[in-house]
Amino acid sequence: GAVVSQHPSRVICKSGTSVKIECRSLDFQATTMFWYRQFPKQSLMLMATSNEGSKATYEQGVEKDKFLINHASLTLSTLTVTSAHPEDSSFYICSARGTSGTGELFFGEGSRLTVL
Amino acid sequence: AQSVTQLGSHVSVSEGALVLLRCNYSSSVPPYLFWYVQYPNQGLQLLLKYTSAATLVKGINGFEAEFKKSETSFHLTKPSAHMSDAAEYFCAVSDRSGYSTLTFGKGTMLLVSP
Repeated sequence: GAVVSQHPSRVICKSGTSVKIECRSLDFQATTMFWYRQFPKQSLMLMATSNEGSKATYEQGVEKDKFLINHASLTLSTLTVTSAHPEDSSFYICSARGTSGTGELFFGEGSRLTVL
Repeated sequence: AQSVTQLGSHVSVSEGALVLLRCNYSSSVPPYLFWYVQYPNQGLQLLLKYTSAATLVKGINGFEAEFKKSETSFHLTKPSAHMSDAAEYFCAVSDRSGYSTLTFGKGTMLLVSP
């Protein structure tokens, strides 16, 4: 099956610093990846859609200058949280669309960000 | 626009009992439907999907779901719950293009007691 790997799984940083999260499709090429944010005991909130070789499409209310997304290759997308603040602490999950044409997504393991 | 409603934020069952997690969708045409499971501090794992072949779909870990167009439902069931089934379950919908984003329900936490 399709495998998506996300790294790091946990990161703690100081307020004002930037953090990069990587999302890789290990056994398939993903032209489209998605970044979600999940608050405790809540569903997933789509932040942005990342397309290989083009600019990401951000959902309404998501600050594109704070959450930088780069999709430089068919197997790698990155999310950089810039000048992180405690309110950015959350669980971030990436996903990649499968190649079957039926729209299912395969998810990474998630990254728990804690900003002190 | 498509939407998904999961009835019940929490469902509690005893080990060995039937599991029933409800999902209703809203869509102008029959969509693609998915069930995902999320264990604590992990990503989501695809349990099963409906893409218009058989209406009764079998997935991993003994779960299955039935697509009922007349009821716009896609409920998830398992005949006998195991302790390891305790997790958060999400129903999701997409259109038939295969290229739209998934719309997720709010999730249902399944609690399994011994």
